[in-house]
Amino acid sequence: QLQLQESGPGLVKPSETLSLTCTVSGGSIGTANYYWDWIRQSPGKGLEWIGNIYYSGSTYYNPSLKSRVTMSIDTSKNQLSLKLNSVTAADTAVYYCGRHLVKNNWFDPWGQGTLVTVSS
Amino acid sequence: DVQMTQSPSPLSASVGDRITISCRANTSISTYLNWYSQKPGKAPKLLIYLTSTLQSGVPSRFSGSGSGTDFTLTISSLQPEDFATYYCQQGHSTPFTFGQGTRLEIK
Repeated sequence: QLQLQESGPGLVKPSETLSLTCTVSGGSIGTANYYWDWIRQSPGKGLEWIGNIYYSGSTYYNPSLKSRVTMSIDTSKNQLSLKLNSVTAADTAVYYCGRHLVKNNWFDPWGQGTLVTVSS
Repeated sequence: DVQMTQSPSPLSASVGDRITISCRANTSISTYLNWYSQKPGKAPKLLIYLTSTLQSGVPSRFSGSGSGTDFTLTISSLQPEDFATYYCQQGHSTPFTFGQGTRLEIK
């Protein structure tokens, strides 16, 4: 059974870079046919899709965050990573990683999520 | 971006009730509409994809319908474990977007 687990600092200072890792177990992220997604949830903006990455390393970012986001994939470690720079309080959210099958644009499964607070 | 709007929120109901949650897109998304449920402190869980197909393991009291811009999620007979927040999500075009959620609470 595929499981995803987010990890990273729970507190980031304004203007700094948020860095998260998603570790995948029970399956390989180095296989074709799946996109690996990052989604966040904040009280103010609800659920927001950040973007995704394919096993080849190709990415698609939500235009609303594109200038600040970088995603990468490490197939040797079965891990994904998310970096969001120049953070503000508006980036405070629970961050989830998830997966969707190519051409099946729904997310399943999701990781349990990790809360990141932006505050000095 | 495709804007998704859900109603009502919140929704108060009792065990055994039949309830319907609506989701509207501001442009046609064909049947590329998915539903999730979320309980406090947990990640959203896929319930229904492509408007009406139940994810494996989801009870048959859940159903979905619609096309174009208007969609509904129906629970035929509410069970205690169904009280949660429900979200719709469009998978028609990137960036994928979600509704604001419908909190289903016990009356």
